[in-house]
Amino acid sequence: DAGVIQSPRHEVTEMGQEVTLRCKPISGHNSLFWYRQTMMRGLELLIYFNNNVPIDDSGMPEDRFSAKMPNASFSTLKIQPSEPRDSAVYFCASRGLAGGFEQFFGPGTRLTVL
Amino acid sequence: RKEVEQDPGPFNVPEGATVAFNCTYSNSASQSFFWYRQDCRKEPKLLMSVYSSGNEDGRFTAQLNRASQYISLLIRDSKLSDSATYLCVVNKGTDKLIFGTGTRLQVFP
Repeated sequence: DAGVIQSPRHEVTEMGQEVTLRCKPISGHNSLFWYRQTMMRGLELLIYFNNNVPIDDSGMPEDRFSAKMPNASFSTLKIQPSEPRDSAVYFCASRGLAGGFEQFFGPGTRLTVL
Repeated sequence: RKEVEQDPGPFNVPEGATVAFNCTYSNSASQSFFWYRQDCRKEPKLLMSVYSSGNEDGRFTAQLNRASQYISLLIRDSKLSDSATYLCVVNKGTDKLIFGTGTRLQVFP
């Protein structure tokens, strides 16, 4: 079975450019989570969706960050404009109703902003 | 104060050793507890849930002390393949999981 799919796996961009990260959750899962992981701050929840509806975006750092989930099989996280301090690994995770609280993570996107 | 605190390590232990990790959480309303494992440059994966009565899965034992707001993970007979970062995770009954920053374990031959 396919797990959570993220693209791209690596992204190197210059400060000021727009970055779009993509996620395909596990089929049938109804919750989707975006996380950011850095050495200093660990794994931080940015935003999550239930049934394609954003529920809590309190972790989104600032207006430069936005996330959408137009349908049950696709979500994007956009950073515009990007800054060097946005460099991190961004994970997407999904969860199904039957799985309790277990979240299944994608392989992550390693973002470097120069 | 962080909601979930862990000793970052690293813990360097020889194969066959027993090693224990601890984790404290600040919110007494926390309801569910987990240990996730994260290999270097990989995604986190659920290792085991933690129940009030304590639970065991092979060489791994997890325990919860609600009065002290303390969670532990014990690994017996360490293997080289156990080398990873172990993340303590707490849930307050909502959809959100709160992750600790992790404890790094390195098992050497």
